[in-house]
Amino acid sequence: DIQMTQSPSTLSASVGDRVTITCRASQSISSWLAWYQQKPGKAPKLLIYKASSLESGVPSRFSGSGSGTEFTLTISSLQPDDFATYYCQQYNSYSLTFGGGTKVEIK
Amino acid sequence: QVTLRESGPALVKPTQTLTLTCTFSGFSLSTSGMCVSWIRQPPGKALEWLALIDWDDDKYYSTSLKTRLTISKDTSKNQVVLTMTNMDPVDTATYYCARMDAYGSGSPDYWGQGTLVTVSS
Repeated sequence: DIQMTQSPSTLSASVGDRVTITCRASQSISSWLAWYQQKPGKAPKLLIYKASSLESGVPSRFSGSGSGTEFTLTISSLQPDDFATYYCQQYNSYSLTFGGGTKVEIK
Repeated sequence: QVTLRESGPALVKPTQTLTLTCTFSGFSLSTSGMCVSWIRQPPGKALEWLALIDWDDDKYYSTSLKTRLTISKDTSKNQVVLTMTNMDPVDTATYYCARMDAYGSGSPDYWGQGTLVTVSS
C-alpha cells in the first residue's frame, strides 16, 4: 500500500503569512494527489486535485505543486477562514490513502 | 446539485455487523467514471479510506480491512451500502460517503455530512 506522510503535523501562523505544507508518497503516484481542508465537525472540502488543479470555487490563494513522490500545498496569504486541518490524499489504481493531516493554528 | 447522505445506527455492540447506507442525488452511478467511496475518521484522528464501488460495479477495499467490508450499490435507488463485520470499539468513527469522478478530478469531490458510529457494549 502507498503511504502518505505530511509535514508538519501542526503549523502556527499569522494572518497574511505564506504557508507551505508538504506531502510525500512512499512510491510514485504521478500527479494523482489531492488536498482537502477540514474544519471541526465538518466534512473535508476538496481544494486541489491532480496535484495542481484548483477545484471550482476555491480561492486562488491556494495552490498545489509536485509530481512523483513530493507535493506541496501553498496558501499565499493566510486568511482567518483558513485556520483548519489540511489533508493530502493519493489515488492510485482505485486505492486511496490520506496523509496524517496538518493543523494550521493561529500564532 | 450533488448531495449525499449517510444513514445507519449510531450505536453498535462489539462483534455486531454495521450496515450503512449512502443515499445520493445529482448524479448517476451508472454513468461512466462515477464512483462512490466510504471514508471514516475516528474522533480527533485522520481520515481513512475504506472502500470504493464504480459505475461498472467493480469494488475495491482497504487492504487492512478488506476481510470485514462489503460494498454494494442499488443504481435504481441511488444508494450505496457498506457493511462492516465484527465491529470493535476502535471502529468508533464518523463514517462518510463521497462521490468520485474517475475521469474528472479523480478524487472525492462531494461528501456527505457524515454519521457518527459508536461501538460500545
